[in-house]
Amino acid sequence: SQKIEQNSEALNIQEGKTATLTCNYTNYSPAYLQWYRQDPGRGPVFLLLIRENEKEKRKERLKVTFDTTLKQSLFHITASQPADSATYLCALDYTGNQFYFGTGTSLTVIP
Amino acid sequence: GAVVSQHPSRVICKSGTSVKIECRSLDFQATTMFWYRQFPKQSLMLMATSNEGSKATYEQGVEKDKFLINHASLTLSTLTVTSAHPEDSSFYICSARGAGSTDTQYFGPGTRLTVL
Repeated sequence: SQKIEQNSEALNIQEGKTATLTCNYTNYSPAYLQWYRQDPGRGPVFLLLIRENEKEKRKERLKVTFDTTLKQSLFHITASQPADSATYLCALDYTGNQFYFGTGTSLTVIP
Repeated sequence: GAVVSQHPSRVICKSGTSVKIECRSLDFQATTMFWYRQFPKQSLMLMATSNEGSKATYEQGVEKDKFLINHASLTLSTLTVTSAHPEDSSFYICSARGAGSTDTQYFGPGTRLTVL
């Protein structure tokens, strides 16, 4: 079965620095890889989607890369702010109804 | 756009009773809806996928007779937890995917179920 690992359970960084979160998977590459933000007691909020034939995607301070050879996606938040503190989830979408979430990384941005 | 709501947001029930959770897509038609369960400090686990007008597809290990899913319209899916027990206490989250879309899922705010 597919195993999805996100780098660490918790990540603390100083405000203004770049946060880098990792998502690694074991089986065949998905058609899409997505990143979500989840705040405590709330549902996930979609951030970015990257397709298997794309190397990089950007949206404002967010950047996602997707390396199907390494079976890895990196999620970067530049100029991080305390408001970016949340749990970030990667999700593998195998086109259609197979959708699997990673374990999540709790990010804390320290003022 | 792409707003998904869930009702109720919190529910407490006695062991042995049934609880129904509603998931609605407010501003788009959702041909596919997904139900997830999330335990504290864990990731979301897909329980089942439902397509409008057809039977839900359950993930391995999820009892279909215990977790009844109905997707009667393009904007509403319901999850009924039958004969709930304390171990069913969890955070239940639905998501919806629009007609013609094969990518982004939009998630509801979740329902916190506590079974006493």
